[in-house]
Amino acid sequence: KQEVTQIPAALSVPEGENLVLNCSFTDSAIYNLQWFRQDPGKGLTSLLLIQSSQREQTSGRLNASLDKSSGRSTLYIAASQPGDSATYLCAGIVYNNNDMRFGAGTRLTVKP
Amino acid sequence: DGGITQSPKYLFRKEGQNVTLSCEQNLNHDAMYWYRQDPGQGLRLIYYSQIVNDFQKGDIAEGYSVSREKKESFPLTVTSAQKNPTAFYLCASEGTATIHTEAFFGQGTRLTVV
Repeated sequence: KQEVTQIPAALSVPEGENLVLNCSFTDSAIYNLQWFRQDPGKGLTSLLLIQSSQREQTSGRLNASLDKSSGRSTLYIAASQPGDSATYLCAGIVYNNNDMRFGAGTRLTVKP
Repeated sequence: DGGITQSPKYLFRKEGQNVTLSCEQNLNHDAMYWYRQDPGQGLRLIYYSQIVNDFQKGDIAEGYSVSREKKESFPLTVTSAQKNPTAFYLCASEGTATIHTEAFFGQGTRLTVV
């Protein structure tokens, strides 16, 4: 089974700062990668999906990249806001597998 | 609105009791999943279903059961055989399990043993 690691586990930044969240895989055979946001006590909200033919995806202030050769993905958040405070999870999907492998998440706090 | 609905939001179970968590989707998705989330851990797969009347065990299926009689519905039963059921349960769906597309999640059910 592949392992998914997210670093750091927690991050606190002042408002307006640009930041990067990291996600790495022990198995480089992933073909899709999805980033989610989770607010306390809530379900997961999909942020970005990077499919096998893509290297990155952008949505507003978010940009996610995927480097399959190194088994790494990053989520870049520009000009962070207090409303961005949440836990961010990445999930890797391995070809011919039937589930998503999740990291434990990065808990982000953006201070006003 | 299209989406996934989980109910109830909070559920309490007595020792030795079976309880059923509901998951309904109106996204016309083929694949549905149940995950368990414990503090400080990633989501772990309990069961998944690719089509109606078919389902497969995930990594932690012991003590759980599911059914998929309708495309829209994928209920999860937590049986008395599950010794540590207190957790946050999340249901997800996506278009098809053979070609992964964007996955969508419900708002979760928090189960507590009393």
